[in-house]
Amino acid sequence: QQQVKQSPQSLIVQKGGISIINCAYENTAFDYFPWYQQFPGKGPALLIAIRPDVSEKKEGRFTISFNKSAKQFSLHIMDSQPGDSATYFCAANDRGSTLGRLYFGRGTQLTVWP
Amino acid sequence: DAGVIQSPRHEVTEMGQEVTLRCKPISGHDYLFWYRQTMMRGLELLIYFNNNVPIDDSGMPEDRFSAKMPNASFSTLKIQPSEPRDSAVYFCASSYQGAVTGELFFGEGSRLTVL
Repeated sequence: QQQVKQSPQSLIVQKGGISIINCAYENTAFDYFPWYQQFPGKGPALLIAIRPDVSEKKEGRFTISFNKSAKQFSLHIMDSQPGDSATYFCAANDRGSTLGRLYFGRGTQLTVWP
Repeated sequence: DAGVIQSPRHEVTEMGQEVTLRCKPISGHDYLFWYRQTMMRGLELLIYFNNNVPIDDSGMPEDRFSAKMPNASFSTLKIQPSEPRDSAVYFCASSYQGAVTGELFFGEGSRLTVL
């Protein structure tokens, strides 16, 4: 059973556009929601993360929006650049009980074309 | 600081052979995770350790897979015998639970091809 559902599976965006990736979860005990970015041939790396006590977190061109009541969160990439082309994974965990285990979405392959 | 180090980076073997993947976590980290990545199934957690003790191995596909962590600086994932469906990229990751973010640090992966 997929604990975190991610969509779309792939996304093509023009340079300068906005990329939006969505995730949904069911476990209300989840209290930490990171996004990981993976380039070809590399391991995933933490991009940005949010806790459920805030509705939005912004770091440069990357913003996480969090809707606790809907149990959804999303990643927005503003002014998307070709260098943003990568696979993005959302994730979640309950740091109080699952002892560090992250549940990952299936990933979104983003292509930004010039 | 050196990141998570995995070896080999690439492994090509024939069905039925034993495969051993190795991982050196970041010094001071108390959690170690083994993931498998495929196009069909995404990132799957196989097993994870806390302070060298296996905590959850429910993701290990079958008895052909085994993992050990003999000390805080070394872990192995072994497949015996290997099958073509085991072809995937295997990632090792480590984290420090005391950190505020609980960030996972991944290695660059071991790409396994079983012919």
